[in-house]
Amino acid sequence: EVRLIESGGGLVKPGGSLRLSCAASGFSFSAHDMNWVRQAPGKGLEWVSSISSSSRHIYYADSVKGRFTVSRDNAKGSLFLQLNSLRAEDTAVYFCVRHYGGGLGTFDYWGQGSLVTVSS
Amino acid sequence: DIQMTQSPSSLSASIGDRVTITCQTSQDITNYLNWYQHKPGKAPKLLIYDASSLERGVPSRFSGSGSGTDFTFTISSLQPEDIATYYCQQHDDYPITFGQGTRLEIK
Repeated sequence: EVRLIESGGGLVKPGGSLRLSCAASGFSFSAHDMNWVRQAPGKGLEWVSSISSSSRHIYYADSVKGRFTVSRDNAKGSLFLQLNSLRAEDTAVYFCVRHYGGGLGTFDYWGQGSLVTVSS
Repeated sequence: DIQMTQSPSSLSASIGDRVTITCQTSQDITNYLNWYQHKPGKAPKLLIYDASSLERGVPSRFSGSGSGTDFTFTISSLQPEDIATYYCQQHDDYPITFGQGTRLEIK
């Protein structure tokens, strides 16, 4: 069974930092590109970042570029998102998402999400 | 960036009704268009990938069609468990973008 379990969310002040983790199991983690997608309260889904299976190719949404850093540890089956210089508008549930198949992003498995709240 | 125009933003229908949601993209994405179902407090669920392919395990009352810039998602006979928000998503180019969502309610 494919499982994606996020952790590391919480309350942080504007300008602060946080590191999200995603523990993957039930599939060959090193064979899949991975992504982060977020949903702000009352808003829709927003793609945040993609990282290829080998970490060679990394992409970010303009809204987080230069502040967030995605990484992975294939040996441990883990995906990470370092969130720096956090703003109120970064408040959201962050989902760890597996990419399946062709194209850039068909998201076939999602974690339950980790809530990040940015507030003073 | 590829802009997504999804409509309607909300929809009220009766059990057994045929429901249709449309998604228009600002440029040709061939068939790189997916549809997701999202229920509150749950993880989003992939229903249709590459415009018209049904994800394994998804009931056949869900279907998708279209190519280029115009796409349609259909529920042939609405069931109570289909109450959710539905999103289209393009994966032809970065940044990957989602439609604004369609909130589906029971009439």
